[in-house]
Formats: sequence, structure tokens, C-alpha cells
Amino acid sequence: QKEVEQDPGPLSVPEGAIVSLNCTYSNSAFQYFMWYRQYSRKGPELLMYTYSSGNKEDGRFTAQVDKSSKYISLFIRDSQPSDSATYLCASRGGLYNQGGKLIFGQGTELSVKP
Amino acid sequence: DVKVTQSSRYLVKRTGEKVFLECVQDMDHENMFWYRQDPGLGLRLIYFSYDVKMKEKGDIPEGYSVSREKKERFSLILESASTNQTSMYLCASSPPPGGGDYGYTFGSGTRLTVV
Repeated sequence: QKEVEQDPGPLSVPEGAIVSLNCTYSNSAFQYFMWYRQYSRKGPELLMYTYSSGNKEDGRFTAQVDKSSKYISLFIRDSQPSDSATYLCASRGGLYNQGGKLIFGQGTELSVKP
Repeated sequence: DVKVTQSSRYLVKRTGEKVFLECVQDMDHENMFWYRQDPGLGLRLIYFSYDVKMKEKGDIPEGYSVSREKKERFSLILESASTNQTSMYLCASSPPPGGGDYGYTFGSGTRLTVV
């Protein structure tokens, strides 16, 4: 079992839809949770960061972590064609948990149709 | 802004060639990483380095080696390129995990084709 699991999609939605992207993780020591966005032929870029449980909002994006169920979510409101990309979730523990290395999900390919 | 620069965007090499992929970061980060990314397999860690002249194997080190002679530069070496090493290679850097917010900053990637 991978430590971070993510449905690879692809996911296709109409413009303006609410998008929900999800990951699960298995390591209880994970405390830091991130979402990366990767456009085609580019490197991933950090989109959202969350520490421990709770929500974090940034414009149209909301990251949510539920540590009790080991569930990580990213919501995109009013989705735009420019949101079309691959979204990767990532988690890590502290320094003494695998050296604090980020563990990545497989990535979900999202397409927002005009 | 932190920049991670990979020397080539596209490379085509022949089977058996020795290939060097270069990565430079400009934010004095201690940690540097090399990944390969393939459809359906996601990001797979090849090697990483926590400091100059230090290296640690990742999940798929076979067929690769690395060099970190200076803090800002981390090189990935394919000793004898093979067609199954055709992939997108991504370099990343980060500060040490001393707690708090830190993420990886990635380069734009090198798409390597071995023919």
C-alpha cells in the first residue's frame, strides 16, 4: 500500500463547477499536507499548505485535512479552464519521520471545459 | 522567488551514452532531490542530498548516480542510458524540515528520450 493514495483520474468538469480532489494517507505521523499544481510540460508548483487538521482557504481554493480519517481534500470553486492541470497531494512527518521527506500521491489530471 | 534551474528542457541521447542532468538552485537550500515522472506512476524519488557531498538513495536508484560538489548544484548521472530511462526528470530543492511550512521548489523538468 502506498503511503499516499490518489485517484489519477482523469477528471473532466464544465467551467464553473465545484471540483473536489481527494487523497488518503496511511502514516499517522504525517503532520504537513500540501497540494501541488502541475501544468503540462512544467514542474509542479506549491498551491496550498496545511498543518495538521482543518481548513485553509485561498481565493477559489480550499484545502481540508481530516486526520481522524486520514483524508486530504482540495476544493476548487468556480473552476476555470486555466485550472486544467495535474494536481498532486503530498504529506510528510517531522524530521525524524523518514527525514521529513515529502511523500507524493500519483496526481489527478483535471480538465475544465469551457 | 526561489529558482531551480534545470540545464536542458529536452534531451535526446543514444543507448549506452553517459548522460548528465544538471540542476542549480539559488536559495541556499540544504536539500535537493531528483525525481522521475512517468504516466501512471507519478513521481518517483531517485536520489536526494541533505548537504554537500552527501547523498541518499531514493526508491529507484538503479542505473543512476548523483554528485553534489557545491551546495547549489545537484547532478544526476545516467551511467549507461537505456530506453527504459526515457522519462521526465524533475529536480527539487527545499530548506531542512525544522518544522513549519516548507515545501519543495521544483525545476521545469528535463524530458529525456533515449533512442
